[in-house]
Amino acid sequence: DTEVTQTPKHLVMGMTNKKSLKCEQHMGHRAMYWYKQKAKKPPELMFVYSYEKLSINESVPSRFSPECPNSSLLNLHLHALQPEDSALYLCASRSGAGPSNTGELFFGEGSRLTVL
Amino acid sequence: SQELEQSPQSLIVQEGKNLTINCTSSKTLYGLYWYKQKYGEGLIFLMMLQKGGEEKSHEKITAKLDEKKQQSSLHITASQPSHAGIYLCGAAKYNAGNMLTFGGGTRLMVKP
Repeated sequence: DTEVTQTPKHLVMGMTNKKSLKCEQHMGHRAMYWYKQKAKKPPELMFVYSYEKLSINESVPSRFSPECPNSSLLNLHLHALQPEDSALYLCASRSGAGPSNTGELFFGEGSRLTVL
Repeated sequence: SQELEQSPQSLIVQEGKNLTINCTSSKTLYGLYWYKQKYGEGLIFLMMLQKGGEEKSHEKITAKLDEKKQQSSLHITASQPSHAGIYLCGAAKYNAGNMLTFGGGTRLMVKP
């Protein structure tokens, strides 16, 4: 299994809603990532988890709350989002989780979020 | 912070033509990645380069990292409509391999 699976593929939510994005991989990877991608822009790093611990938070607003319940799962909890948060949210994983590891990232297909 | 500049931003070529996409870094590269993305989809890994002067090929795509490790090029030979998409170069920061940031992307269209 060489896939990173993201659900849902599409999500529409209001600014007062609470929702979650889910990411799952069964490759035994110990580093997992959330990226945000706006239209016609490159992916921007949001969070990195290494060995199920948050290692990098790129100054992301607190209305985005990541969670890594186990080595295969990564969630992104969403609350009180703004319309400008509408974007494609990409999850990725990598086998090595150390700072010197430079292996490739495997990406999921993304969850397209629309905030009304 | 690591800055990656890609050129051109967009490219339209006739099927069968060769093309080159460049990626230039403001700092020494310790890992340079090339990915391809179809609109609204995930990123597909193409190649990774680490050593100065390194060159890798896969099917009709060749990527090179220059000796000084501050520029990479992606060359497609005899382009096909299936090559269309957005090509992104990504770089890892020294001793922060968990951080992978991307250039602005090159949007490629191949006309049949």
